Amino acid sequence: QVQLQESGPGRVQPSQTLSLTCTVSGGSISGGGHYWTWIRQHPGKGLEWIGYRFDSGSTSYNPSLKSRTTISVDATKKQFFLRLKSVTAADTAVYFCAREGGGFHLDSWGQGILVTVAS
Amino acid sequence: NFMLTQPHSVSESPGKTVTISCTRSSGSVAANYVQWYQQRPGSAPTNLIYEDDQRPSRVPDRFSGSIDSSSNSASLTISGLKTEDEADYYCQSYDGNIRVFGGGTKLTVL
Repeated sequence: QVQLQESGPGRVQPSQTLSLTCTVSGGSISGGGHYWTWIRQHPGKGLEWIGYRFDSGSTSYNPSLKSRTTISVDATKKQFFLRLKSVTAADTAVYFCAREGGGFHLDSWGQGILVTVAS
Repeated sequence: NFMLTQPHSVSESPGKTVTISCTRSSGSVAANYVQWYQQRPGSAPTNLIYEDDQRPSRVPDRFSGSIDSSSNSASLTISGLKTEDEADYYCQSYDGNIRVFGGGTKLTVL
């Protein structure tokens, strides 16, 4: 059973870059045809898909966040990463990493990490 | 891009059946699989339904999914409601490489 765990700073200053890591255990991060995905949830609100990096290396991002978002992978460390540039208070949210498998569903999720954007 | 619209909240009594709808604003609901997720307070979401009507093995058969092309919508039906079903429910679908979540429905079991 694959497990995912987010890590990173819980507080980021406005205009800086939010950087998060998702560590995968119990399974491979490459060669499985999976989409390594980031999702966020603003306090008290619904889920927002941020984007993914596919096994092949291709990426796809939410059009509303595309200009500020980069998702990358380090297969040797079994980690994937989220970078979100030029953050504002509107980026304060719980950030989840997840794996999308065959069937287009997110079958494994991290527990989530709260990131607050404030000076 | 398209939107998925869900009712903000629904409520029903234990033992009853409830249905949560998810209406797609553009594009065909039948052409793009719909998934459903349950999120309990303070927890990460978990997948309940994938590919419109498929259940992961750990999900009880009280949960079922369907689509209706005439209304361009998907539905999640929960039968034999239990108090533990009280949670937020999200539908999700896609258009090419873009994934979209519905706004979520809060289910109250009272």
